[in-house]
Amino acid sequence: AQSVTQLGSHVSVSEGALVLLRCNYSSSVPPYLFWYVQYPNQGLQLLLKYTSAATLVKGINGFEAEFKKSETSFHLTKPSAHMSDAAEYFCAVSDQNNAGNMLTFGGGTRLMVKP
Amino acid sequence: NAGVTQTPKFQVLKTGQSMTLQCAQDMNHEYMSWYRQDPGMGLRLIHYSVGAGITDQGEVPNGYNVSRSTTEDFPLRLLSAAPSQTSVYFCASSMDGSSTDTQYFGPGTRLTVL
Repeated sequence: AQSVTQLGSHVSVSEGALVLLRCNYSSSVPPYLFWYVQYPNQGLQLLLKYTSAATLVKGINGFEAEFKKSETSFHLTKPSAHMSDAAEYFCAVSDQNNAGNMLTFGGGTRLMVKP
Repeated sequence: NAGVTQTPKFQVLKTGQSMTLQCAQDMNHEYMSWYRQDPGMGLRLIHYSVGAGITDQGEVPNGYNVSRSTTEDFPLRLLSAAPSQTSVYFCASSMDGSSTDTQYFGPGTRLTVL
């Protein structure tokens, strides 16, 4: 069975500081990995995804994530936080054995950006 | 395109009542799914459908029914609401349901069961 662990349910950074949101996964087969963002009172939207091509994946709004198989990690980073980045972020995994596009989500990390 | 739409946005039920949460998409996507979101637990899959007439259970299907009579619509039915079903419900769709496919989420329905 797959699982996803997001370290830190709340992360607070200052505007302009580095954003680092951590995600570790477990999967018995090569995984596909996703980061979604949820702004207040909205649904989730895709930030980026890893589908076994390049290990460094660039997404929207300046975010990127690096797939590290040896560490079973897919951490999300952004060099300089903006106030508009305040939201909840979810890491999710699927794999080649999926009967359908079934995602397993982590518990989420709420990012707060201080002025 | 409206994308994925859900109605209602908010609903309050009494224990034992039934109701249907509506979900529709106008992107001609084959795959649709329902998730519930609870604090600290991320999103958990309730039911999914890989095409009209085909549905299957996800991780937490008990107390919920689905049907898929058209490509566009995927309603979720609560048969006899319980307080444990208080949650935010999201519908999602993707083009073909492959493992790398991007899922598009609706705005959610916030359900409270008293």
